[in-house]
Amino acid sequence: DTGVSQDPRHKITKRGQNVTFRCDPISEHNRLYWYRQTLGQGPEFLTYFQNEAQLEKSRLLSDRFSAERPKGSFSTLEIQRTEQGDSAMYLCASSFRQGASGANVLTFGAGSRLTVL
Amino acid sequence: DQQVKQNSPSLSVQEGRISILNCDYTNSMFDYFLWYKKYPAEGPTFLISISSIKDKNEDGRFTVFLNKSAKHLSLHIVPSQPGDSAVYFCAASDNNDMRFGAGTRLTVKP
Repeated sequence: DTGVSQDPRHKITKRGQNVTFRCDPISEHNRLYWYRQTLGQGPEFLTYFQNEAQLEKSRLLSDRFSAERPKGSFSTLEIQRTEQGDSAMYLCASSFRQGASGANVLTFGAGSRLTVL
Repeated sequence: DQQVKQNSPSLSVQEGRISILNCDYTNSMFDYFLWYKKYPAEGPTFLISISSIKDKNEDGRFTVFLNKSAKHLSLHIVPSQPGDSAVYFCAASDNNDMRFGAGTRLTVKP
């Protein structure tokens, strides 16, 4: 297992275009998270899945953003009609969570950097 | 809403000395607190955690202290090594999502 993989690592697009990021989590992990990180800030929570169910979405996730995890394995994050304010690092993380005991330790991918011109 | 705050953007210490990184939180429902370390061009990696029912957890050179009444936690690194130079994020979780602070850039000088 090579950890959490994200693709592409870098994406440059023009304002108004759609972009899609892919995340392949650690195979045994049932939870998958998306975060956004801008310069000088920590990761900001966007959404998470338990298996294929999307259980929580941040209000940061506007209607231009959609995330899917169709078979409970890989996930995609699509941003439609990109704006310059969408420029950020998009981080994916996964964890195994059963019940509510113990720390929910996330394993992060290296991120997908989006630049909107 | 910034539920987890790291008020020091940077910290510089001499090799061999103690590094103390601080974090404050506002939500008393958090049940675990974690520290992550991030090197450039990599995602954050987990370092150490502490349950809300404990006040100290130690792992080698790293110790995390939790003061629930003050809603404050700190990470102590002793002795600090140049390889510890990275951005450190404090995080808090409640079994669902996880909230992160803005990070503190630690520089350990040889």
